[in-house]
Amino acid sequence: DTEVTQTPKHLVMGMTNKKSLKCEQHMGHRAMYWYKQKAKKPPELMFVYSYEKLSINESVPSRFSPECPNSSLLNLHLHALQPEDSALYLCASSQVVGKTGELFFGEGSRLTVL
Amino acid sequence: SQQGEEDPQALSIQEGENATMNCSYKTSINNLQWYRQNSGRGLVHLILIRSNEREKHSGRLRVTLDTSKKSSSLLITASRAADTASYFCATPFTGGFKTIFGAGTRLFVKA
Repeated sequence: DTEVTQTPKHLVMGMTNKKSLKCEQHMGHRAMYWYKQKAKKPPELMFVYSYEKLSINESVPSRFSPECPNSSLLNLHLHALQPEDSALYLCASSQVVGKTGELFFGEGSRLTVL
Repeated sequence: SQQGEEDPQALSIQEGENATMNCSYKTSINNLQWYRQNSGRGLVHLILIRSNEREKHSGRLRVTLDTSKKSSSLLITASRAADTASYFCATPFTGGFKTIFGAGTRLFVKA
């Protein structure tokens, strides 16, 4: 069982819609991540938050907007997406102090853009 | 660009056989990790090996690391149908925040 919870599990949206993906963890981790994964490909890093501040943005298009309201929550706001943005979006968390980089993943949100 | 490259891309074996997957990376590392992903689900951390370690065991998993060749291998012994999954090596950078995944090996274990 994962201790990182992502909602919704599945999302279908049109190119003009605005939607959000949500992620929650209660392990006390102060680093949280968004990854994007296309079929048969490895996860690709999108954003990293450390202590609720954005520390890494991997040149992600502005139609993806991350938000970290508190140490347990991470959102990804979606607006004006393209069909090629259809993918599995994975949230992960990790420790910051004494960091080894070990990531704890949620089960992902499967996004389909029509 | 990807840090880790893995081979084989896909591997099909019989239950009870051993499965070996290899990973190569390009730059210096503090540690290397292996993750497992069942189809369409999240990744699960399997094992971490530090740069000053050469071999590590965890249950049926054995990981080796050769920093001179910038390569690692994951051995799963006595495989089971439930081991069917994709396996990724991963290396963390930027103080551990930026973890880059290899291309992955898709393992299929036939019962």
